[in-house]
Amino acid sequence: AAGVIQSPRHLIKEKRETATLKCYPIPRHDTVYWYQQGPGQDPQFLISFYEKMQSDKGSIPDRFSAQQFSDYHSELNMSSLELGDSALYFCASSLQGPANYGYTFGSGTRLTVV
Amino acid sequence: SQQGEEDPQALSIQEGENATMNCSYKTSINNLQWYRQNSGRGLVHLILIRSNEREKHSGRLRVTLDTSKKSSSLLITASRAADTASYFCATGGSSNTGKLIFGQGTTLQVKP
Repeated sequence: AAGVIQSPRHLIKEKRETATLKCYPIPRHDTVYWYQQGPGQDPQFLISFYEKMQSDKGSIPDRFSAQQFSDYHSELNMSSLELGDSALYFCASSLQGPANYGYTFGSGTRLTVV
Repeated sequence: SQQGEEDPQALSIQEGENATMNCSYKTSINNLQWYRQNSGRGLVHLILIRSNEREKHSGRLRVTLDTSKKSSSLLITASRAADTASYFCATGGSSNTGKLIFGQGTTLQVKP
């Protein structure tokens, strides 16, 4: 079965550079969530989209932006990268509505800022 | 952590033993989910329990939920070395936007 696809798997950027992470949800899933997991930390919710509109926002820095496109894939854009942005970035997808089922996470993008 | 504590933070047991992990949360919830994460890898959904349920089973997994105490437990029976991983509880809030709030996780080591 198709899963959530994230690209790239690994990314190395220098401070102050820009990074774009991509997420392709499971077909027919209409909601995408982005999470950030620092080393040894629990995943932190960043932002979510439902039907191409932002549905919720968490602790996402102003330097980050995201959107969901007409084909439901989503991109997380990160500018002016800082060393502290080094983390695993996960995308998850689901069907909106009563949350009666778990979410499917992608394998994540490991971002290293040097 | 945004949500609460997981207890214990680390657990080391022998293969064949049972492992129990606890999770506490702070807000009202719609559901509570448990996820597994192998080192540096993706999160794998294990089991979901709704706020009106008290216990749920899936294979060797048993989850309980006590909404009055805002706590949940995950029991893994007859553990295997392959169960070695980090386990996170995550709550889906009553606002129903679908976002998950994760606990800090328990690192489980199962020794062969």
